[in-house]
Amino acid sequence: SQELEQSPQSLIVQEGKNLTINCTSSKTLYGLYWYKQKYGEGLIFLMMLQKGGEEKSHEKITAKLDEKKQQSSLHITASQPSHAGIYLCGADPSGTYKYIFGTGTRLKVLA
Amino acid sequence: DAEITQSPRHKITETGRQVTLACHQTWNHNNMFWYRQDLGHGLRLIHYSYGVQDTNKGEVSDGYSVSRSNTEDLPLTLESAASSQTSVYFCASSKGQLMNTEAFFGQGTRLTVV
Repeated sequence: SQELEQSPQSLIVQEGKNLTINCTSSKTLYGLYWYKQKYGEGLIFLMMLQKGGEEKSHEKITAKLDEKKQQSSLHITASQPSHAGIYLCGADPSGTYKYIFGTGTRLKVLA
Repeated sequence: DAEITQSPRHKITETGRQVTLACHQTWNHNNMFWYRQDLGHGLRLIHYSYGVQDTNKGEVSDGYSVSRSNTEDLPLTLESAASSQTSVYFCASSKGQLMNTEAFFGQGTRLTVV
């Protein structure tokens, strides 16, 4: 079965710093989703990547899917306290909408 | 605005009791899902449905059941609550008519079984 591994598991950065979160799949990805979860709340959809080499941006967050479609990275530029939370990558490995998720990366941004 | 809502947000119950968690979405999505989130395990799929009268078991379905009598609702029932079912439960829905469609999540229900 396909698994998603995220790194790092947790991250503490100073406000204004850039950071990168990685998501690696054991098999080729046919769609990769990034979500953000604030502590004690539900998941908020950020972006979806489908094609090898694809890159999408939303405000200060950029996500990329590598050419081989087995790794994705989420990059935050000039981090702010509002970026704090848990970032999860997800995928639909069989195309049957049975989404799987990584275990998440906990981000803390120090003001 | 369309949304997905879960109730209750917090629940404490006793071992052996039957508990039902509600999930209601107003997007008219075909697909609905229940996940549980636990430290060290991430999100794990409990049950899912592709439409009315359709239900399927996920990765961790033992001790849980769902029913889909209409498009909007997928209630999750714990037949006889156990301490191992203490967790945060998330309901989600997706459109399901295209490949690669994202899922939208509810705010979660924190269930404690004592």
